[in-house]
Amino acid sequence: DAGVIQSPRHEVTEMGQEVTLRCKPISGHDYLFWYRQTMMRGLELLIYFNNNVPIDDSGMPEDRFSAKMPNASFSTLKIQPSEPRDSAVYFCASSLAGRLYQETQYFGPGTRLLVL
Amino acid sequence: KQEVTQIPAALSVPEGENLVLNCSFTDSAIYNLQWFRQDPGKGLTSLLLIQSSQREQTSGRLNASLDKSSGRSTLYIAASQPGDSATYLCAVVGLKTSYDKVIFGPGTSLSVIP
Repeated sequence: DAGVIQSPRHEVTEMGQEVTLRCKPISGHDYLFWYRQTMMRGLELLIYFNNNVPIDDSGMPEDRFSAKMPNASFSTLKIQPSEPRDSAVYFCASSLAGRLYQETQYFGPGTRLLVL
Repeated sequence: KQEVTQIPAALSVPEGENLVLNCSFTDSAIYNLQWFRQDPGKGLTSLLLIQSSQREQTSGRLNASLDKSSGRSTLYIAASQPGDSATYLCAVVGLKTSYDKVIFGPGTSLSVIP
């Protein structure tokens, strides 16, 4: 398997624009996680899915952020409208079924987002 | 509210030295604790997972210990190599509210000098 795939790897956009980040988890993994990493706040869990269903979105910073998982092989994280403070590295991770956080999470390479 | 800290923030050691990285958490009611490695510009790689009922886990040259009562975990790296250079993060999964809450430490940046 190619591992967790994220696209784009880098994104530069202007404030107010819509940004869509994409993730393809490892085949057969039932859990999918979206994280954000900044120098100020470190690594934070935004939302996670189990079998395509959002389970906990309490980490989503505000209504401008939304995430979907229309099928087992694809998820999106959308920011609309984007703001400079959204600039960060966004990671997607997936893990096998089982108890949450009992299975190893496999991280994608991340998307570096810069909002000007 | 659970807070996770890591000391030191950065560490530079000569190759071959044994070293210890520290992770502290304020709420001892945890589900498990994990250590991750992050290479520059890349995602995290899981190293070790310690259940709340366990005291330590070992993988190769890595050994992680957990002392819940004191809110501490250590990652011991034996015979360090330049390839060990990376940022090491610990993450705690809380038990009180739900299994869902994971808090990451800020990380320790390790540099092993050849």
